[in-house]
Amino acid sequence: GAGVSQSPSNKVTEKGKDVELRCDPISGHTALYWYRQSLGQGLEFLIYFQGNSAPDKSGLPSDRFSAERTGGSVSTLTIQRTQQEDSAVYLCASSLAHSYEQYFGPGTRLTVT
Amino acid sequence: AQRVTQPEKLLSVFKGAPVELKCNYSYSGSPELFWYVQYSRQRLQLLLRHISRESIKGFTADLNKGETSFHLKKPFAQEEDSAMYYCALSGGSNYKLTFGKGTLLTVNP
Repeated sequence: GAGVSQSPSNKVTEKGKDVELRCDPISGHTALYWYRQSLGQGLEFLIYFQGNSAPDKSGLPSDRFSAERTGGSVSTLTIQRTQQEDSAVYLCASSLAHSYEQYFGPGTRLTVT
Repeated sequence: AQRVTQPEKLLSVFKGAPVELKCNYSYSGSPELFWYVQYSRQRLQLLLRHISRESIKGFTADLNKGETSFHLKKPFAQEEDSAMYYCALSGGSNYKLTFGKGTLLTVNP
């Protein structure tokens, strides 16, 4: 079946602009995660959605970052007033409820110039 | 706080040689430990988890709670094993993963 999809695959933006990254999880997966993969920092957890529960936002690096999940499916990660240090690959993953096995999307490579 | 340490950024071996990728963790409870792999131009995927005790693609990993380690081993490396390997930990009721910084394994012919 279809895996996790993300769009766009690449995004180049100017410093100070806002960007939106999209994630389509695997159908039926109620848990959704965002991670950031950057040089020197490895993979960092950003935010976690589980069903209708309040999201775990503990990994968001600043208040410029936000995410929402509409209808328990598609998720959008928004970065406002982008900075050069936001350049990274943003990964989305989904899983069944209460499962440790996460399925990752291909990522969105964000470059802030 | 939970932490995962992979002390080797790079590891290079010859085909047919044994390989061991090291992983140490810090967690106050009973963690779930995983190895994820990312082949060139492919997405990150689960290789194995400690609770399953499986051997995947010839790889095994044993959780040593005394040494807080979860090293990944393979007796005879193959060229197709060349990839980035991440050790990851999850604990408690939150299923988020804490990753190590990864080890790039290169298997030379």
